[in-house]
Amino acid sequence: DTEVTQTPKHLVMGMTNKKSLKCEQHMGHRAMYWYKQKAKKPPELMFVYSYEKLSINESVPSRFSPECPNSSLLNLHLHALQPEDSALYLCASSQTGGRTEAFFGQGTRLTVV
Amino acid sequence: GENVEQHPSTLSVQEGDSAVIKCTYSDSASNYFPWYKQELGKRPQLIIDIRSNVGEKKDQRIAVTLNKTAKHFSLHITETQPEDSAVYFCAANYNTNAGKSTFGDGTTLTVKP
Repeated sequence: DTEVTQTPKHLVMGMTNKKSLKCEQHMGHRAMYWYKQKAKKPPELMFVYSYEKLSINESVPSRFSPECPNSSLLNLHLHALQPEDSALYLCASSQTGGRTEAFFGQGTRLTVV
Repeated sequence: GENVEQHPSTLSVQEGDSAVIKCTYSDSASNYFPWYKQELGKRPQLIIDIRSNVGEKKDQRIAVTLNKTAKHFSLHITETQPEDSAVYFCAANYNTNAGKSTFGDGTTLTVKP
């Protein structure tokens, strides 16, 4: 199984809502990532988890809150988002240590209204 | 930190022609260079990668070359087909988790039948 599965595929939320994005992989990867991608732009790294511990937070606003409940799951909790947060949110996973392929999920298309 | 520049931003070729996309990087410590293809509305997918101890790598119609001295690497696609039309991202990484690659801004390749 070389899949990274993200749910939901699409999400529309109001600025006062609380929602969560979910990501799952069963490749035994111990590094997992959240990216934000705007149209026609490269993915921007938000968070990195290594062995279920947050290792990198790329100065992301606190309205985005990541969680890694176990080695297969990664969540992104959303609260009080702004319209400019509308984007494709991609989860990825890889083996640790670099020099290996990162596998991306299909993404969640988020619209904040 | 690492900075990756990618050119051209758009590339249009006739079916059967070759396409070349070039990237330069700034951090001489980078040692892993993946190329991702992203079709419209889909996830980025690795198409080829190269490590710093190798100068060239080929996989059927796709090849990547790396010049460590000049700090640039290139993607070559031969005998292009309409299904090669997509956005291509180069990236650079150094001995950290693979998903922490620094991406180029992307090249939109259009292959005209």
